Amino acid sequence: SQQGEEDPQALSIQEGENATMNCSYKTSINNLQWYRQNSGRGLVHLILIRSNEREKHSGRLRVTLDTSKKSSSLLITASRAADTASYFCATDTGANSKLTFGKGITLSVRP
Amino acid sequence: DAGVTQSPTHLIKTRGQQVTLRCSPKSGHDTVSWYQQALGQGPQFIFQYYEEEERQRGNFPDRFSGHQFPNYSSELNVNALLLGDSALYLCASSSIQGATNEKLFFGSGTQLSVL
Repeated sequence: SQQGEEDPQALSIQEGENATMNCSYKTSINNLQWYRQNSGRGLVHLILIRSNEREKHSGRLRVTLDTSKKSSSLLITASRAADTASYFCATDTGANSKLTFGKGITLSVRP
Repeated sequence: DAGVTQSPTHLIKTRGQQVTLRCSPKSGHDTVSWYQQALGQGPQFIFQYYEEEERQRGNFPDRFSGHQFPNYSSELNVNALLLGDSALYLCASSSIQGATNEKLFFGSGTQLSVL
């Protein structure tokens, strides 16, 4: 089963615009992570936010976490064509040794 | 410093056959997890190996089995292949000392097609 549900399923923006992606989950978590996948190949870790944190930044990435609403958002500022990829949120409940991924968001950045 | 390597990159099998996929973790990592990613879906956890033992298993049948070797490399075996086993199989490595799920490093995957 998939714990995380990303929204929207697909997003198309112009280069230079900001992209906001949302993720909702069902159970309590230890941390939430965002990964990027290019062309159906390996995933690349982008950023991790712990359950006791509300916001984190990394370069052009900003992630927020609202544990009361069981939701997270990923903001990519000043998007580039190279940001075109699928983005997944993944939750770690801490109760076992696995990450649970959502179905992903397809981001297209038009040059 | 080599990252996670997987082999082969592509594989075509027929129903009923058996397949073995291989993974070498990132240098310094001791934990290997396997995920199955069907087309248009997110990765689904199969199992995780640490110290040559299966630590945790997802909701996959016994046809899926694995192994970890003393050098931390790992194999995923799937018996009696079904059409529904067609997917991208991803290996991810991490370090138990770095908190297993804090950051996974993924290989490029093996694309398995079952005909």
